Amino acid sequence: EAGVAQSPRYKIIEKRQSVAFWCNPISGHATLYWYQQILGQGPKLLIQFQNNGVVDDSQLPKDRFSAERLKGVDSTLKIQPAKLEDSAVYLCASSLVRGAGELFFGEGSRLTVL
Amino acid sequence: AQRVTQPEKLLSVFKGAPVELKCNYSYSGSPELFWYVQYSRQRLQLLLRHISRESIKGFTADLNKGETSFHLKKPFAQEEDSAMYYCALLGGNAGNMLTFGGGTRLMVKP
Repeated sequence: EAGVAQSPRYKIIEKRQSVAFWCNPISGHATLYWYQQILGQGPKLLIQFQNNGVVDDSQLPKDRFSAERLKGVDSTLKIQPAKLEDSAVYLCASSLVRGAGELFFGEGSRLTVL
Repeated sequence: AQRVTQPEKLLSVFKGAPVELKCNYSYSGSPELFWYVQYSRQRLQLLLRHISRESIKGFTADLNKGETSFHLKKPFAQEEDSAMYYCALLGGNAGNMLTFGGGTRLMVKP
């Protein structure tokens, strides 16, 4: 079974530039999550999708972050414009059902904002 | 609001010594607790969950509602246990938000 795929693995940009991350969840997984993990901290949930609908985006900085999951499969997370404090690893995860405690994570996309 | 606290950033023990990674939580509802692990150069993955009450790789964790704790224990640490460990709580308004603690790095020395 293929795992959660993410790209790019690494991205370096300057502040005020934009960046987009892509995630392909495990086939059949209805729920998709984006987490932000700043160095030395645990993952923090940004947004949760159930199929192509948003379940929770209360911690997403909506003035600069946006995410979508068209057709209920792949998802993209965009940051525009980026700030220095956005430097982090962006983790995508999926689960078979909503409310599952077992999440399957991708390898993450490491963003450095200079 | 739910919160998970792991007081130790780093725990260093010798091989064969007992290990206890601490986790405390705050949550007004009935929590489900989990431990996730990330080995070097690998993805974050589930280690165990409290409702299954199972031992995985020699690790166990008991939910103590009185002390609001979910400490992870292993009687004899192995070098391959060296990793980052994250405690997580499933809760939120709809009971479907997984909140992670800050993590503890376990180093098992030979």
